[in-house]
Amino acid sequence: QVQLVESGGGVVQPGRSLRLSCAASGFTFRTYVMHWVRQAPGKGLEWVAVISHDETNKYYADSVKGRFTISRDNSKNTLYLQMNNLRVEDTAVYYCAREGIGPTIDYWGQGTLVTVSS
Amino acid sequence: VLTQTPLSSPVTLGQPASISCRSSQSLVHSDGNTYLSWLQQRPGQPPRLLIYKISNRFSGVPDRFSGSGAGTDFTLKISRVEAEDVGVYYCTQATQFPWTFGQGTKVEIK
Repeated sequence: QVQLVESGGGVVQPGRSLRLSCAASGFTFRTYVMHWVRQAPGKGLEWVAVISHDETNKYYADSVKGRFTISRDNSKNTLYLQMNNLRVEDTAVYYCAREGIGPTIDYWGQGTLVTVSS
Repeated sequence: VLTQTPLSSPVTLGQPASISCRSSQSLVHSDGNTYLSWLQQRPGQPPRLLIYKISNRFSGVPDRFSGSGAGTDFTLKISRVEAEDVGVYYCTQATQFPWTFGQGTKVEIK
């Protein structure tokens, strides 16, 4: 079955960096477009970034453009999100998600919490 | 912008529930498809796909969930609410970047 397991979250000070990882299994990772979506505590969902199956195309939300970088290693079935110059408003649960039929996001990981606080 | 109504929906077990999602612009893609989906997020859980392309139920989704609509107006219906349906429901569009979500509708039992 499809599994997406995020890691790398934690507490970090404003201005610092963090790298999230998402280990994928149960499907042919290298053939799927992948996304990051976040959810601030008690709030709704916000799309963050997307990467094509071969890394040739990447798109970002305006709120993270220039600070976050999405990447993937198809040999390791892993998706990444490098987050630099973090802000308090980046505090959220970050979900790794697979783009499937539709297109739409058809599978979500359990999420990893990032807290940006001084 | 996707606007959901109501924001909260107290429902009696076994009764129907309906959630509306209105888009500020048409969600019809240039390829003719409409990429409007519905998600369910149970308390403490990640979101789960229920419906894609307006009315297609995802694998394993009970048939008491149905989606309808066109253009800018869409509806998710639960024919008979069960206890496990408690949670927040989101509409989401993938017709244009950035993908966006409605603000969510909380379904709770009266």
